Amino acid sequence: DGGITQSPKYLFRKEGQNVTLSCEQNLNHDAMYWYRQDPGQGLRLIYYSQIVNDFQKGDIAEGYSVSREKKESFPLTVTSAQKNPTAFYLCASSPHPAGEQYFGPGTRLTVT
Amino acid sequence: AQSVTQLGSHVSVSEGALVLLRCNYSSSVPPYLFWYVQYPNQGLQLLLKYTTGATLVKGINGFEAEFKKSETSFHLTKPSAHMSDAAEYFCAVSVNAGNNRKLIWGLGTSLAVNP
Repeated sequence: DGGITQSPKYLFRKEGQNVTLSCEQNLNHDAMYWYRQDPGQGLRLIYYSQIVNDFQKGDIAEGYSVSREKKESFPLTVTSAQKNPTAFYLCASSPHPAGEQYFGPGTRLTVT
Repeated sequence: AQSVTQLGSHVSVSEGALVLLRCNYSSSVPPYLFWYVQYPNQGLQLLLKYTTGATLVKGINGFEAEFKKSETSFHLTKPSAHMSDAAEYFCAVSVNAGNNRKLIWGLGTSLAVNP
């Protein structure tokens, strides 16, 4: 089955540690996205990539980093510089930039 | 700035009643419009989309939405609510972002369905 996988579903880290969230897709989509979701704030775009080896900052990129070395993979690193990292993180992909996005199941990150 | 407004952060209906979730957008160009549904602790699922053509769009699970350019609206409806429709619903519009495009999201509407 084609789709987007995110792992793990739940992730716990201590403050001051970097953590990498995985996102893999087998839909052959060029564009991929990372969002952060907090209660009452909808979806906020962290980073997006429309082709391999290229990515752009979204609205809340500070404290995050990404890479896009393969079409299928778009990992997100939450660094210790991110002041409030506890959130639900969603990865998405799209067959073309203007079109609909398909979402993974999400990773809930808790930092204490 | 382009934006999406979802009127009502919480909507409650009785099972079998009409569901109406409101979405208004601001866009200087003809938009692509989307509705998504999210169940607790899950990702978002596309319900329906408008790109071009017919302004009444049918989606999954019996939902439909109508694009009204004069009102800059894209309201989501379902004639008869089911308990399984209880979820969070998001409206989104595709906009230009420099040389790229991205989705602008509404803040969501939480739908409760009462027996």
